[in-house]
Amino acid sequence: AQSVTQPDIHITVSEGASLELRCNYSYGATPYLFWYVQSPGQGLQLLLKYFSGDTLVQGIKGFEAEFKRSQSSFNLRKPSVHWSDAAEYFCAVGDGDSWGKFQFGAGTQVVVTP
Amino acid sequence: ETGVTQSPTHLIKTRGQQVTLRCSSQSGHNTVSWYQQALGQGPQFIFQYYREEENGRGNFPPRFSGLQFPNYSSELNVNALELDDSALYLCASSLWGSTEAFFGQGTRLTVV
Repeated sequence: AQSVTQPDIHITVSEGASLELRCNYSYGATPYLFWYVQSPGQGLQLLLKYFSGDTLVQGIKGFEAEFKRSQSSFNLRKPSVHWSDAAEYFCAVGDGDSWGKFQFGAGTQVVVTP
Repeated sequence: ETGVTQSPTHLIKTRGQQVTLRCSSQSGHNTVSWYQQALGQGPQFIFQYYREEENGRGNFPPRFSGLQFPNYSSELNVNALELDDSALYLCASSLWGSTEAFFGQGTRLTVV
């Protein structure tokens, strides 16, 4: 069975500092991996996705993620955080047999301090 | 904005009642998936509809049911509401075969 683990429930980062959010997955085959962001009272917005090919994936809002098969990880990074990046971030693994079905992690809440 | 609209945005129901939530999918999308997001948790897959038929269900009891209409919009129905059904319900629309899904802003259901 697929599963997604986000080890950090809450991260506080200073504006301008770098950010890394961890994600570990368990999946039998090559996973389809996603990062979504959710602002308060909002739905989920796709930041980036990985299916195959280059293991470093670029997304929107200056985010990138690196797929490491050996570590079963798909960590999200941003070099310099802006106050508007404060939100909840979800890592998800997709079911390649059925589009739109995801297994989400529990999320990481990011707080940005001045 | 994604073009996926959900209604209502908020509602309060009493335990034992029934509720219907609605989702209009993005233009051109033929697949709708529903998720339940309890407070402090990630979204949990409820079920998916494709071509007006259920195409997979998560670990939810039969009192959670749904419909998809010819225009691809969808409803989620929950019977015999329980307190634990209080959550944000998210709808995601996608085009079958596409790797991307677009989420609506959700319906916040509170059961008292």
